Amino acid sequence: DTEVTQTPKHLVMGMTNKKSLKCEQHMGHRAMYWYKQKAKKPPELMFVYSYEKLSINESVPSRFSPECPNSSLLNLHLHALQPEDSALYLCASSQGPFGQGALNIQYFGAGTRLSVL
Amino acid sequence: GQQVMQIPQYQHVQEGEDFTTYCNSSTTLSNIQWYKQRPGGHPVFLIQLVKSGEVKKQKRLTFQFGEAKKNSSLHITATQTTDVGTYFCAGRLGGGSNYKLTFGKGTLLTVNP
Repeated sequence: DTEVTQTPKHLVMGMTNKKSLKCEQHMGHRAMYWYKQKAKKPPELMFVYSYEKLSINESVPSRFSPECPNSSLLNLHLHALQPEDSALYLCASSQGPFGQGALNIQYFGAGTRLSVL
Repeated sequence: GQQVMQIPQYQHVQEGEDFTTYCNSSTTLSNIQWYKQRPGGHPVFLIQLVKSGEVKKQKRLTFQFGEAKKNSSLHITATQTTDVGTYFCAGRLGGGSNYKLTFGKGTLLTVNP
């Protein structure tokens, strides 16, 4: 099973709303990632969690708040977003961040398509 | 910052024609991965190349990693309509505990049946 599950698939929110995106994997992967992807652009890394600890924050605005409750779950809390934050938000996981080979392969979820009005 | 350049940005072919996309990095890559994203879909892992000069094949797809580990290519022989999508290369810069993949901008392939 190489599945990463993201919910919801679609989300529409106003600029004053608070919402959360959820990501789950049961592959025993120890690294989990949040990416943002705009139309016709590559995924942009936002956050990396390794062994449930935040390892990388790519200077993401504080209106995005990640959380890793356990090794299988990753959340992204959204508050006071701007219309330019509308994008596809992708979660990914990999077996581990170290070394070579299969450890590095990232498995992406189907994403949450977010619209901020 | 460090970048992985990918060309061409777009490629339109007739079904049955070949297709190639190229990636270049100014710095040595510890490995390179290739992903395919169908329209409306999410990136799906295709392959990872690790060794200098490595060549791997998956049916009609051939992946190469340059001798200097700074460039890579994906070649599709006799394209089919199912090959439509955006192909991304993603390089891992450096080694050790480097979590970050640097994605190329992608090549959008369209195939005319």
